Amino acid sequence: DAGITQSPRHKVTETGTPVTLRCHQTENHRYMYWYRQDPGHGLRLIHYSYGVKDTDKGEVSDGYSVSRSKTEDFLLTLESATSSQTSVYFCAISESGTGIAKNIQYFGAGTRLSVL
Amino acid sequence: AQSVSQHNHHVILSEAASLELGCNYSYGGTVNLFWYVQYPGQHLQLLLKYFSGDPLVKGIKGFEAEFIKSKFSFNLRKPSVQWSDTAEYFCAVFYNQGGKLIFGQGTELSVKP
Repeated sequence: DAGITQSPRHKVTETGTPVTLRCHQTENHRYMYWYRQDPGHGLRLIHYSYGVKDTDKGEVSDGYSVSRSKTEDFLLTLESATSSQTSVYFCAISESGTGIAKNIQYFGAGTRLSVL
Repeated sequence: AQSVSQHNHHVILSEAASLELGCNYSYGGTVNLFWYVQYPGQHLQLLLKYFSGDPLVKGIKGFEAEFIKSKFSFNLRKPSVQWSDTAEYFCAVFYNQGGKLIFGQGTELSVKP
């Protein structure tokens, strides 16, 4: 495993409630990513971070926010969860530097979120 | 737009059959190519990768993939599948222009013993 821990692993919540998912890495990698996985869509990028306090939007960022106050932690927040956000969420990391190794992403175990 | 397409959504094979999963991507400059595997209930694991050089890439567990630049394809192959290969397989393309990793829709492989 790539030293990535996601928490919680499973969560059931109600529509309208805030939810925060945590990704913790022990690799000291610069880049961190949040994806959602839905049947027929593969993985789609929600947000990513290229350093502490440096984040940017991905393909499906509406309804999500992120924060990165420390290198090792990348938080994904659903401010007001909706049923369309029921999904499996994966965190990924990639190496620092300018070499092509930074283009390889390693994934956490995922968080299964159900919004009722 | 940058996109990746996997031709088969669900493939069912018997053990010892040969496997080929198709992957095509849209043109977008220089790319790096990946196949990931997700076993039931587990996270994505890197199966193999292509950056440059020999277009035939060998990965773990007997898998290989061939990069055909003229066809924008990166098909995954295995000569003889096992029941333990039952999983979902994702093709992914890193577009250097834009710096994003784009995934295909995934192919679910079921291998019958």
